[in-house]
Amino acid sequence: SQTIHQWPATLVQPVGSPLSLECTVEGTSNPNLYWYRQAAGRGLQLLFYSVGIGQISSEVPQNLSASRPQDRQFILSSKKLLLSDSGFYLCAWSPKIETQYFGPGTRLLVL
Amino acid sequence: GENVEQHPSTLSVQEGDSAVIKCTYSDSASNYFPWYKQELGKRPQLIIDIRSNVGEKKDQRIAVTLNKTAKHFSLHITETQPEDSAVYFCAASPPAGSYQLTFGKGTKLSVIP
Repeated sequence: SQTIHQWPATLVQPVGSPLSLECTVEGTSNPNLYWYRQAAGRGLQLLFYSVGIGQISSEVPQNLSASRPQDRQFILSSKKLLLSDSGFYLCAWSPKIETQYFGPGTRLLVL
Repeated sequence: GENVEQHPSTLSVQEGDSAVIKCTYSDSASNYFPWYKQELGKRPQLIIDIRSNVGEKKDQRIAVTLNKTAKHFSLHITETQPEDSAVYFCAASPPAGSYQLTFGKGTKLSVIP
C-alpha cells in the first residue's frame, strides 16, 4: 500500500531564515504531487503541483519554491521566511487520477 | 477557472440528527467531486467521492448526491455521532488532464451529545 511522509512534523523558525520541508511517497511510481498551505481555521490553498521529476507548476506567486529531485520526493523551500508563511503545510499525492491523499502535514510557526 | 462555494460555514446538530452540507461549482465540465473530513490538528481524509455519471452514492451513514444540471452536490450524514465533529471540505475536479482539485472553504460540524 501507499504511504506518504512529511517532515519535520513541527517547525519554529525566525523571520528571514530559510525553509526546507520534505515530502516522500512510498509504494507508487510517477505520482502527481502537491503542496498546500492551510492557515489556522482556514481552507486549503494550493501552492505547487508536479506531474513528474523536474516539472513544477506554481499556483500562487510568493517567496516559496518547490522542487522534485526524485520521482517520489517533493521539497518546499524558502530563502527568507515571512511572518505570513506560518501555517499547516500539507503534501498530497495522486495516482494520476483526480483523487488526492494527504500527508500528515508540517506545522510551521514563523516568529 | 473552477469556483466552489460551500455552505454553511458552521453547523451544529444534536447527536442522532442528520447533517447536510452543500456545495456548488461553476465549471460544468467538472466530473469528480470528493469530500474530505479534517479533525482538529490532523490531515484531511477522503471520506466519500462521486463522479458525474452517478447521481448518488452511499457508504453506511454518509451519502453524497450530485445534481449536474444545477451544478451542486451535497454531503448527508445520518445518525450523527460526536466523532463526526470535524471540518468537512468539498472539492471539484476540472476537466480531465489537470488532476487538480478546487476546494470549498470548509464547514465546521459540531455534534452536541
